[in-house]
Amino acid sequence: NAGVTQTPKFRVLKTGQSMTLLCAQDMNHEYMYWYRQDPGMGLRLIHYSVGEGTTAKGEVPDGYNVSRLKKQNFLLGLESAAPSQTSVYFCASSRAESVAFFGQGTRLTVV
Amino acid sequence: GESVGLHLPTLSVQEGDNSIINCAYSNSASDYFIWYKQESGKGPQFIIDIRSNMDKRQGQRVTVLLNKTVKHLSLQIAATQPGDSAVYFCAESSLAYDKVIFGPGTSLSVIP
Repeated sequence: NAGVTQTPKFRVLKTGQSMTLLCAQDMNHEYMYWYRQDPGMGLRLIHYSVGEGTTAKGEVPDGYNVSRLKKQNFLLGLESAAPSQTSVYFCASSRAESVAFFGQGTRLTVV
Repeated sequence: GESVGLHLPTLSVQEGDNSIINCAYSNSASDYFIWYKQESGKGPQFIIDIRSNMDKRQGQRVTVLLNKTVKHLSLQIAATQPGDSAVYFCAESSLAYDKVIFGPGTSLSVIP
């Protein structure tokens, strides 16, 4: 049972480049989330999804897009990366009003 | 209100002492609360949870207290060990809204 798997684990992008972060969960959870965590800071919600085909904005959605085409996958896209998007990105999944399980994070650096 | 990006407060505790980490949650409609532990370089991991129909729940060396009147949550760690050094987050949720809202977190440092 892998739980929540994020790929890639590390990435360096140049300003203006695009990329997609993949999150996969094998727990049949309805809810999936993308957070960012800056050094010494808490978790900020970027986007989330309450089911296949649905997405919603969190606290800091600007500059990001998401898609949930399959229940087990939640993709986070950066269309034109900026240095301010340098961060560690965490994906999580959960059932409704239940414990969220987190991936190990993706460390992204935009230069 | 939503959790916003804030620098983490730090709590330093002597090994063997008890630790108390506090959290003020934001939404009076929240009815499910969770404490997570995040070790350096890792994702947050579940420690203990509590529903709003309870005011106390105990686990192994950890106790969560809930005071709905003042929207306050606390995590007590008994006999703190070096392995407890981490960042601790409280989180709130409800069926009334879809997302999990995280508190700003507290960095616990255990002094040997």
